[in-house]
Amino acid sequence: DAGVTQSPTHLIKTRGQQVTLRCSPKSGHDTVSWYQQALGQGPQFIFQYYEEEERQRGNFPDRFSGHQFPNYSSELNVNALLLGDSALYLCASSLGQGFEDTGELFFGEGSRLTVL
Amino acid sequence: QKEVEQNSGPLSVPEGAIASLNCTYSDRGSQSFFWYRQYSGKSPELIMSIYSNGDKEDGRFTAQLNKASQYVSLLIRDSQPSDSATYLCAVERQAGTALIFGKGTTLSVSS
Repeated sequence: DAGVTQSPTHLIKTRGQQVTLRCSPKSGHDTVSWYQQALGQGPQFIFQYYEEEERQRGNFPDRFSGHQFPNYSSELNVNALLLGDSALYLCASSLGQGFEDTGELFFGEGSRLTVL
Repeated sequence: QKEVEQNSGPLSVPEGAIASLNCTYSDRGSQSFFWYRQYSGKSPELIMSIYSNGDKEDGRFTAQLNKASQYVSLLIRDSQPSDSATYLCAVERQAGTALIFGKGTTLSVSS
């Protein structure tokens, strides 16, 4: 049973460029969330997709956008990259919209983005 | 702004001792609480979930929740060097499986 898979694992960009990160959820999961984890910090919630729509959004600018496809996979896009966007980007999947009914959030291994 | 606070550590304990990790949260309406373990360079891994006041035990791990005090803790009994990691406390952001994480507490278990 494949877990959450993310690609690419590492990438280097320069300021002003755009980046797309990809995520395939755990088999049977329909909800995908994205988190940004800067060095020495806890993950910060970016947004969540369910039924191909953005359902919740954290405190991130519009430069961060996403998409969910009919097969539940998801993309995170970041435009006009800043040095401060350098971080580990984590994708997490779950089933449905409630923890008590559906259990835990499964994380992928992340995409490490370096902006020079 | 909803927040989750943890002592960053490092918390150092000898092998075999009890490690106690603490977390407070600001949103009194929060219902779901989690402890994740994160090894360096790896993704977070769920250790415990707790939804009701009181204690919940799973092997060497015990989570404690006190909603009146807005306090969650994790006890690790018989600590092992392999428990050395960063422990993240997470609270449900609002209904819908999104989480607010603390900054994490680094635990170091010496043999």
